[in-house]
Amino acid sequence: DAKTTQPTSMDCAEGRAANLPCNHSTISGNEYVYWYRQIHSQGPQYIIHGLKNNETNEMASLIITEDRKSSTLILPHATLRDTAVYYCIVRVDYGGSQGNLIFGKGTKLSVKP
Amino acid sequence: DVKVTQSSRYLVKRTGEKVFLECVQDMDHENMFWYRQDPGLGLRLIYFSYDVKMKEKGDIPEGYSVSREKKERFSLILESASTNQTSMYLCASRKSGGTGNTIYFGEGSWLTVV
Repeated sequence: DAKTTQPTSMDCAEGRAANLPCNHSTISGNEYVYWYRQIHSQGPQYIIHGLKNNETNEMASLIITEDRKSSTLILPHATLRDTAVYYCIVRVDYGGSQGNLIFGKGTKLSVKP
Repeated sequence: DVKVTQSSRYLVKRTGEKVFLECVQDMDHENMFWYRQDPGLGLRLIYFSYDVKMKEKGDIPEGYSVSREKKERFSLILESASTNQTSMYLCASRKSGGTGNTIYFGEGSWLTVV
């Protein structure tokens, strides 16, 4: 699975959009981009994933560049409860029994009042 | 919403005890996983199961076993707990077949072995 690079930490004002970048320059054509977040002492929470096209759900938007070498997770109106460590993961999904997720260090997002 | 429920959030056990961690998912997922998460080491896969009674070792299976008698339930067993098994344990599940299937995690079980 391709390696990802994320900033160690970011701050965001409450109510503003939080834009979290991720570089994955060695991504291959069949690798998906997944985003999870983990609030202290809890299990990772799935946010969104995509292959080529931009994606949006009730939690966030995922913007993937045309060359797929980077992506941005957007939380449109950050709240204090969005303070967490955010992980960008790229992996091939074989659709079978393999499922190991490699979590890097992620980005610690602090949403401030 | 997918629900992965781990029976115990916090446990304290003594060295040598047999420990059972239970996990139940309500989405009829075929695949289930047990990970442990330690500071600086990220998530490490212990075991996964691709169907009832089917299991495969992950990266760190030593000292652990698993049981999957029913599709919705996946149990992690520490045969003889040791202090180096103090960790946060995460159960996860995923639908099999197709591609782009998401892995969903439980809340985690914090185990302290004294």
